[in-house]
Amino acid sequence: TQLLEQSPQFLSIQEGENLTVYCNSSSVFSSLQWYRQEPGEGPVLLVTVVTGGEVKKLKRLTFQFGDARKDSSLHITAAQPGDTGLYLCAGYAASGTYKYIFGTGTRLKVLA
Amino acid sequence: SAVISQKPSRDICQRGTSLTIQCQVDSQVTMMFWYRQQPGQSLTLIATANQGSEATYESGFVIDKFPISRPNLTFSTLTVSNMSPEDSSIYLCSVDGPGTGIYEQYFGPGTRLTVT
Repeated sequence: TQLLEQSPQFLSIQEGENLTVYCNSSSVFSSLQWYRQEPGEGPVLLVTVVTGGEVKKLKRLTFQFGDARKDSSLHITAAQPGDTGLYLCAGYAASGTYKYIFGTGTRLKVLA
Repeated sequence: SAVISQKPSRDICQRGTSLTIQCQVDSQVTMMFWYRQQPGQSLTLIATANQGSEATYESGFVIDKFPISRPNLTFSTLTVSNMSPEDSSIYLCSVDGPGTGIYEQYFGPGTRLTVT
């Protein structure tokens, strides 16, 4: 069974702090996505990474795909209250099953 | 990206009844997915629905309990049958992004179901 473990599970920080969320698996993925979800809404796609070692930046958010395509990280610089939400990583299976495996989730709260 | 709507947005149902959730997409898509999510937790895939074929269910989910229809390339329904309080959850549909060769999903706003 393919699993994606995220850490930390919960994070409460002050505005302006930096943070990193990790997404780890023993399985290889052909691509990996990061989503943010706010209460009452569906997850919203932030980024997709495809190549091992790839780094993508989205304003204050930096995403990295591990060299072996088994893990990923999300780094937020100078967090703002608007960053509050549930962060989910999702890996697209490299072979066989046509589906996405979602991570366990990281709930972030940024205090003003 | 695709714009996805779901109906109803929320409902409160009595145990033993059934509820059908509709998912409408603003463009034609091949694959549609149905997920269940407990508030504040991650997503669990229920089934994958490909137009013109039977839905593929994940372990722990069966067609009798969660029948799915996929009559065309822009629409799907998920029925939660013979509901019990354990079925209280958020149900989400999603679609693959447009055919760029990079796989990513777009989600509807979800249906919040409470079973009493």
